[in-house]
Amino acid sequence: GAVVSQHPSWVICKSGTSVKIECRSLDFQATTMFWYRQFPKQSLMLMATSNEGSKATYEQGVEKDKFLINHASLTLSTLTVTSAHPEDSSFYICSASTGRNEQFFGPGTRLTVL
Amino acid sequence: AQSVTQLGSHVSVSEGALVLLRCNYSSSVPPYLFWYVQYPNQGLQLLLKYTSAATLVKGINGFEAEFKKSETSFHLTKPSAHMSDAAEYFCAVSGSGGYQKVTFGTGTKLQVIP
Repeated sequence: GAVVSQHPSWVICKSGTSVKIECRSLDFQATTMFWYRQFPKQSLMLMATSNEGSKATYEQGVEKDKFLINHASLTLSTLTVTSAHPEDSSFYICSASTGRNEQFFGPGTRLTVL
Repeated sequence: AQSVTQLGSHVSVSEGALVLLRCNYSSSVPPYLFWYVQYPNQGLQLLLKYTSAATLVKGINGFEAEFKKSETSFHLTKPSAHMSDAAEYFCAVSGSGGYQKVTFGTGTKLQVIP
C-alpha cells in the first residue's frame, strides 16, 4: 500500500518550453501533496505544499508563477515548470500524505532543459 | 524551527561490518524523526520513524535507530552491512502532532566494500 507514482520519469525539453509532471497516489487519498527538487549530490528542498482544492503554499524563494501547482483531486497533483531554462534542470520528487506525519514519496522525475 | 545535521557525507564500511550513520537534530518542539534511503535516480523510501513511542525504533532491512533526547541524536545502525545497503541515507525531522513540515538533512552516502 501507499504507492505514489510520477509521470514522466525522465523528460528532456528545449529552453523556453513548459513541462508538466504528474504525481498520483495510487491506493490512498492524499490530503496533502508536496513537491521537492533535488540538485545533484544535495538534499531535498521543499518547493511547495498543496492541499486538494486550494492554492499551493510556496516556500520562500520559489517562484509560484514559474512552478505552477494544481491539486485537482485527492489522488493527483501536477507541477508545471513554465518557460523552463537550463537552471531548472533537476530531479523533482513529489510526496503525498494522509496527514499522519508520514510522507510517501514518488520515484522522481529527472528534468533536463537544453 | 527544526534542523538536522548528518555527520559525514560519505561513509565506507566493509561487507559484514557495523553500519553507523549519525544524525543530530534541533527542534523547538517535540520532534518526529525519520530515516529515508534513496537509491540512484529513485525517490525516497522510509526506513524507520520515531513518533514519541519507544525510543529504540526498528525499521526495514535490519536497520534501527535510537532516539536520545539528552544528546539530541537519532543515529542509524545496522549490525552487518550488505552490498545492497549501498545508497544515500537522509535523516529528517518534523514537529509532532498532526501534519508538520519535514526538514531533511544533507544526506550520507554509504559505500559497502566487498
